[in-house]
Amino acid sequence: KAGVTQTPRYLIKTRGQQVTLSCSPISGHRSVSWYQQTPGQGLQFLFEYFSETQRNKGNFPGRFSGRQFSNSRSEMNVSTLELGDSALYLCASSLIPGAGETQYFGPGTRLLVL
Amino acid sequence: KQEVTQIPAALSVPEGENLVLNCSFTDSAIYNLQWFRQDPGKGLTSLLLIQSSQREQTSGRLNASLDKSSGRSTLYIAASQPGDSATYLCAVSSNQFYFGTGTSLTVIP
Repeated sequence: KAGVTQTPRYLIKTRGQQVTLSCSPISGHRSVSWYQQTPGQGLQFLFEYFSETQRNKGNFPGRFSGRQFSNSRSEMNVSTLELGDSALYLCASSLIPGAGETQYFGPGTRLLVL
Repeated sequence: KQEVTQIPAALSVPEGENLVLNCSFTDSAIYNLQWFRQDPGKGLTSLLLIQSSQREQTSGRLNASLDKSSGRSTLYIAASQPGDSATYLCAVSSNQFYFGTGTSLTVIP
């Protein structure tokens, strides 16, 4: 069974631009979560989607948004990029959201904002 | 808000040694706790998942324990190998996943 895939793997953008990252969960998994990882803040939860609905959202500004499609694939969008948005963005999938479910992570998209 | 702390931040041991990584959390109302491994520049690999009702889980040379009432978990690695060198993260699940800051482990051949 293929794992979680994320595209692109690397991205360079300039301040003020916007970016869209994509995540394809493991086949059969319907829950997708997004995380931002930086050296200073560690891993921080962005949001979680299940059945095309956002179930939970972390403490990030509205510039960060996401969506999930009917095939469970998910995208996240960051508008008006800032230097501080440079990070590794990780996507994780699980069968269903919530208690007791193991999350499986993709390799991440490394975003550099210049 | 849940806070997850891991100590030590970095650890260096000679090959073959047994070692323990620590994870503590402030809110005991969790569904489960998961230990992950992250290699440089890579995503996370799940190692062990302990449900809130469980006390420990084992997989090969790894053993994780959970004491929910005291807000602590440990990851025990037996007979460490250079291939175990990585960053180890614990995460607790309540309304969302909260991750610790990680322990960077180096196993010296």
